[in-house]
Amino acid sequence: DGGITQSPKYLFRKEGQNVTLSCEQNLNHDAMYWYRQDPGQGLRLIYYSQIVNDFQKGDIAEGYSVSREKKESFPLTVTSAQKNPTAFYLCASSRSGQGANGYTFGSGTRLTVV
Amino acid sequence: GNSVTQMEGPVTLSEEAFLTINCTYTATGYPSLFWYVQYPGEGLQLLLKATKADDKGSNKGFEATYRKETTSFHLEKGSVQVSDSAVYFCALTLNQAGTALIFGKGTTLSVSS
Repeated sequence: DGGITQSPKYLFRKEGQNVTLSCEQNLNHDAMYWYRQDPGQGLRLIYYSQIVNDFQKGDIAEGYSVSREKKESFPLTVTSAQKNPTAFYLCASSRSGQGANGYTFGSGTRLTVV
Repeated sequence: GNSVTQMEGPVTLSEEAFLTINCTYTATGYPSLFWYVQYPGEGLQLLLKATKADDKGSNKGFEATYRKETTSFHLEKGSVQVSDSAVYFCALTLNQAGTALIFGKGTTLSVSS
């Protein structure tokens, strides 16, 4: 079955370390997105990519980086510059950058800084 | 700017009660509107959508009508079940290249038997 796979489901990071969250989709979708979810704040857009080798900053890109070398993959790196990285991270994809058909979401990665 | 405002929760109901979760939006242009549902520890699932004014989206007994005159997209269900307990997100997209879904803050629904 087609879908989006995020890994790992739980991730622990020491302060000062970079960590990379994986997101892979086999839906042949062009566009991919990373959101951060915090209690009571809904979903906030970190980065998005509409085509391979291109991506744009979202509302809260500081302290994060991404790459889009393959259509299927959109990894997110949480750098040591991110002041408060503990959160639930959700990856999504859509057929086109317009998103009119809605997004398909992965099951998320919960990152905790220890 | 473009934004979505949802009623604050939590919403607590007994089984078989009527549900309304209010959602209003601000948008430049003509957005498509969505309701997503999130069960504990999971990602979001698309519940229903509407792409133009007066469209009604429906799924699993849930309904929402795109009201351009009141810029609203309220979610309703006639008889909720315990299994409907989840967080519900209203969202919009501007249907333009270079834009992404904009979400409300979510409303937690808790249904007891």
